[in-house]
Amino acid sequence: EVQLVESGGGLVQPGGSLRLSCAASGFSFSDASMSWVRQAPGKGLEWVGRINSETDGGTTDYAAPMKGRFTISRDDSKNTLYLQMNSLRAEDTAVYFCARTHTWWLRSVGQHYYMDVWGKGTTVTVSS
Amino acid sequence: QSVLTQPPSASGTPGQRVTISCSGSSSNIGSNTVNWYQQLPGTAPKLLIHSNNQRPSGVPDRLSGSKSGTSASLAISGLQSEDEADYYCAAWDDSLNGPVFGGGTKLTVL
Repeated sequence: EVQLVESGGGLVQPGGSLRLSCAASGFSFSDASMSWVRQAPGKGLEWVGRINSETDGGTTDYAAPMKGRFTISRDDSKNTLYLQMNSLRAEDTAVYFCARTHTWWLRSVGQHYYMDVWGKGTTVTVSS
Repeated sequence: QSVLTQPPSASGTPGQRVTISCSGSSSNIGSNTVNWYQQLPGTAPKLLIHSNNQRPSGVPDRLSGSKSGTSASLAISGLQSEDEADYYCAAWDDSLNGPVFGGGTKLTVL
């Protein structure tokens, strides 16, 4: 069964740090690009960032509000994705989802970017 | 405020056909493909449509996606009670260098 399981969420004070993990199973994790997406309470979905497979350079991209504060990494030997979050703010309070990502570009239709397998999410609360 | 614009709500009766719209710009929908996700209360999003109109395995063919210019739409025919959920459109944005989502549409089955 293809599965993603997030962990590491919790309550953290403003300015603090937290590392989330996402354990993958049932598919070739090392070949996959992976994304983090978050959802603040009662709000919509917001992309956090992504990491490509090592075959595709292992490069990372981040949404503007997260640049410089969040770092995405992966350990293919452990089939695990990570999200290191520093300098946390109240507005970072959200459920954080990891998702398997498919991304490629074709001249005829442009950029494809979609997430087909999602974890159930882990809750991060930033509050004093 | 979301980059892609969706109506906040939609409704229909069982068996009806409903359409949810998604409006963007030349930097996102106008240049790239559109995806649709369904989110039931308290659960993770589920991919319904990718690449404008492609259904992943297991998604019924009463759901369909289309795109024209800088707008896209999701159609659900033969509406069922289990379709009651939030629906999000998404597309890559060339200016922001990342995917953007609509604000979501809450579908109610009356």
